[in-house]
Amino acid sequence: DIVMTQSPLSLPVTPGEPASISCRSSQSLLHSSGYYYLDWYVQKPGQSPQLLIYMTSNRASGVPDRFSGSGSGTDFTLKISRVEAEDVGVYYCMQTLQTRTFGQGTKLEIK
Amino acid sequence: QVQLQESGPGLVKPSETLSLTCSVSGGSISGYYWSWIRQPPGRGLQWIGYIYYSGATSYNPSLTGRLILSVDTSKNQFSLQLSSVTAADTAVYYCARLTAYSFGSVRYHPIEYWGQGTLVTVSS
Repeated sequence: DIVMTQSPLSLPVTPGEPASISCRSSQSLLHSSGYYYLDWYVQKPGQSPQLLIYMTSNRASGVPDRFSGSGSGTDFTLKISRVEAEDVGVYYCMQTLQTRTFGQGTKLEIK
Repeated sequence: QVQLQESGPGLVKPSETLSLTCSVSGGSISGYYWSWIRQPPGRGLQWIGYIYYSGATSYNPSLTGRLILSVDTSKNQFSLQLSSVTAADTAVYYCARLTAYSFGSVRYHPIEYWGQGTLVTVSS
């Protein structure tokens, strides 16, 4: 199984400041197509998870452009250029190369 | 707008079978992959598996042997059966739809639509 490890697990951020979440996989997420198979989701308080980023760097419909995803091999990053209060929630990465596994989640909170 | 709604017993006894159904509205079940994800109380997300509308399945290896996913296109529903449950299976269970995105010859399927989730407690 591919194990996904996120850091930090808790991320207090001042509104307007940037934020970054790291996600590492136990093996490369490179597919034979040349793409890296990783998604990002956010679960806001009291809500179901929602898709943010798919295939490493593609924003889902309606996701603000302050969210961006990048990475390759086993190292991936979700960046928020300027955190807003509505961004509070738990962020999960998920690999889709071999079945699917989630990271343990990173809780973003406002300072 | 596609909507998904989980239904089933909220309480299941240990060693029995947990059965849930997801009803899909606002779109057809045909042509898509459908998934189950669960979240133990206060914990993170765990992938359970997915089923294509044709019936093809992919299961979390840790659940293979106890898990059966099925689809009923006539009712626009898909279902989960998890046998021999223990307290470790207590969780909020989400049903979801995967959407296909094309990148050249590659079709990629992130989870785009989620149900609201239903809590299932395993207890005697």
